[in-house]
Amino acid sequence: IAGITQAPTSQILAAGRRMTLRCTQDMRHNAMYWYRQDLGLGLRLIHYSNTAGTTGKGEVPDGYSVSRANTDDFPLTLASAVPSQTSVYFCASSEGATDTQYFGPGTRLTVL
Amino acid sequence: AQSVTQLGSHVSVSEGALVLLRCNYSSSVPPYLFWYVQYPNQGLQLLLKYTSAATLVKGINGFEAEFKKSETSFHLTKPSAHMSDAAEYFCAVSDRHNFNKFYFGSGTKLNVKP
Repeated sequence: IAGITQAPTSQILAAGRRMTLRCTQDMRHNAMYWYRQDLGLGLRLIHYSNTAGTTGKGEVPDGYSVSRANTDDFPLTLASAVPSQTSVYFCASSEGATDTQYFGPGTRLTVL
Repeated sequence: AQSVTQLGSHVSVSEGALVLLRCNYSSSVPPYLFWYVQYPNQGLQLLLKYTSAATLVKGINGFEAEFKKSETSFHLTKPSAHMSDAAEYFCAVSDRHNFNKFYFGSGTKLNVKP
């Protein structure tokens, strides 16, 4: 069982470019999440999805969009990247709300 | 919105010494509370969680945490530190209106000295 996979592992991106971070889980979990981790700020929730077909805004949703077309995939898109979006991005999933969240290995994104 | 405060961004203990990592949350209603650990260049792993059952919660690797409503605290402890405990630890709380929303503290890096 792979758990949660994220791609790419790292990326350097020019400001203004569009970027999609991929996240796939094979645990058939209902809920999925995107967080960004910045030094001194811990993890902040960007968007989440309770179940396929539904999404919700987290603490810092501006500049990001998500979709949940099926149970396994939860891509995060930056429509027009800005340097403040330089961060480490973690995808997570859980069977339901308040259940244990399982985290992917992260994507390190640098926007220049 | 909820908030979580972790006192001390860095904590250093000697191997075999008590580990105490502090976490306070802001909420008038006891939420769900979690401690996660992050090893270098890895994602987060759950250590333990409080879900309104017993106030003393035991987790993996000998860690435990006690929920104290009167102090709005959920401090993490381990009686005897091991070198392998060196990592960053995050306290998290679920939003009391939307359990899908988690709020994480800023993290505490634990250093264990030989």
